[in-house]
Amino acid sequence: SAVISQKPSRDICQRGTSLTIQCQVDSQVTMMFWYRQQPGQSLTLIATANQGSEATYESGFVIDKFPISRPNLTFSTLTVSNMSPEDSSIYLCSVNEVPSYNEQFFGPGTRLTVL
Amino acid sequence: QKEVEQNSGPLSVPEGAIASLNCTYSDRGSQSFFWYRQYSGKSPELIMFIYSNGDKEDGRFTAQLNKASQYVSLLIRDSQPSDSATYLCAVKYDMRFGAGTRLTVKP
Repeated sequence: SAVISQKPSRDICQRGTSLTIQCQVDSQVTMMFWYRQQPGQSLTLIATANQGSEATYESGFVIDKFPISRPNLTFSTLTVSNMSPEDSSIYLCSVNEVPSYNEQFFGPGTRLTVL
Repeated sequence: QKEVEQNSGPLSVPEGAIASLNCTYSDRGSQSFFWYRQYSGKSPELIMFIYSNGDKEDGRFTAQLNKASQYVSLLIRDSQPSDSATYLCAVKYDMRFGAGTRLTVKP
């Protein structure tokens, strides 16, 4: 399976600031996704990162708050903008591999705390 | 709203018993289904996926799919304390996850 790394692994940020999370994969992947997992909760899909085009956002998530980039088939970033304590969560990058595109694998996650 | 539902538990079984985890889904068009295991503080890891009605076995794990009744289950035979984790059901149409079932296997 693909090896997925995320940076940073954790961060503590002040209210009103922004944080960019990076996701790097060691092989080309068809699909990349960003999830949020709040404490004690399941995973919520934020958006699908599309290579070369704008990300596709789920209901309740908007580009102004969570801008996403995907410049190539191995890398994506998620920015959490104008943060508030409610954004404190674990953010997970996930990928579908080529050719087993139905199997989805997760990165180690970024634990974000907003004060 | 497409939904995936799981009993959040906690589910507690003795070591060596069979643990049964269930998941229902609302979209009849769903084609593929996944079970993930998530240890506390870790990211989810894929255990099994199933596409066809019936059973799929992999070692101590068996996934069961019934599309007519819109449920998928995971059976863990000979449960071990190391199986203690939260198990997440996911449905492919847009990779939505259930809330997860917390399983504890007691020695």
